[in-house]
Amino acid sequence: RKEVEQDPGPFNVPEGATVAFNCTYSNSASQSFFWYRQDCRKEPKLLMSVYSSGNEDGRFTAQLNRASQYISLLIRDSKLSDSATYLCVVNIGSNYQLIWGAGTKLIIKP
Amino acid sequence: DTGVSQNPRHKITKRGQNVTFRCDPISEHNRLYWYRQTLGQGPEFLTYFQNEAQLEKSRLLSDRFSAERPKGSFSTLEIQRTEQGDSAMYLCASSPPSRVIGYTFGSGTRLTVV
Repeated sequence: RKEVEQDPGPFNVPEGATVAFNCTYSNSASQSFFWYRQDCRKEPKLLMSVYSSGNEDGRFTAQLNRASQYISLLIRDSKLSDSATYLCVVNIGSNYQLIWGAGTKLIIKP
Repeated sequence: DTGVSQNPRHKITKRGQNVTFRCDPISEHNRLYWYRQTLGQGPEFLTYFQNEAQLEKSRLLSDRFSAERPKGSFSTLEIQRTEQGDSAMYLCASSPPSRVIGYTFGSGTRLTVV
């Protein structure tokens, strides 16, 4: 079993719709959680951290469920520019090494 | 200095040749990481430096791979006797002391071994 698992997609979503991704992690000692966004052939960029109480940044909402060991990302009112691969990332506290999922590809259609 | 700089952006080499990549982190970041990413996968950890000390090295990093950060500033990643399986994007990232959240990636070096 992979340490961090994501549905690879692609998720094909019409512009303006709401879309949600989940990500599961296997190490119960995981301490920090993040969502990164990666555009085609570009480097990953931090989208948002995920806090235990859940957090929101504009149209994006991230939630953490420690009991079930998953995190989620919700995107409301999706824009064409949201098309990208969304990577779920977990830190188990060892020298700040990050464990990455393979990503979920999102395609927003006009 | 507004970001992490990696050179070259692209490298095509013949199998068996040696290649070296360079990473210049954000100046106040003391932590530097090398990752490798292949198509359809997330980045895989290779190695980590805190200042000039290489503190962690993945099992993915065979004896053909070596990384250095001699003065705690820029870092180099060398691959000797390249193989086709080494073809990937090599990403460098840096972060400030004690903060995972400050992880910033460079644009990467795309290696193609022919």
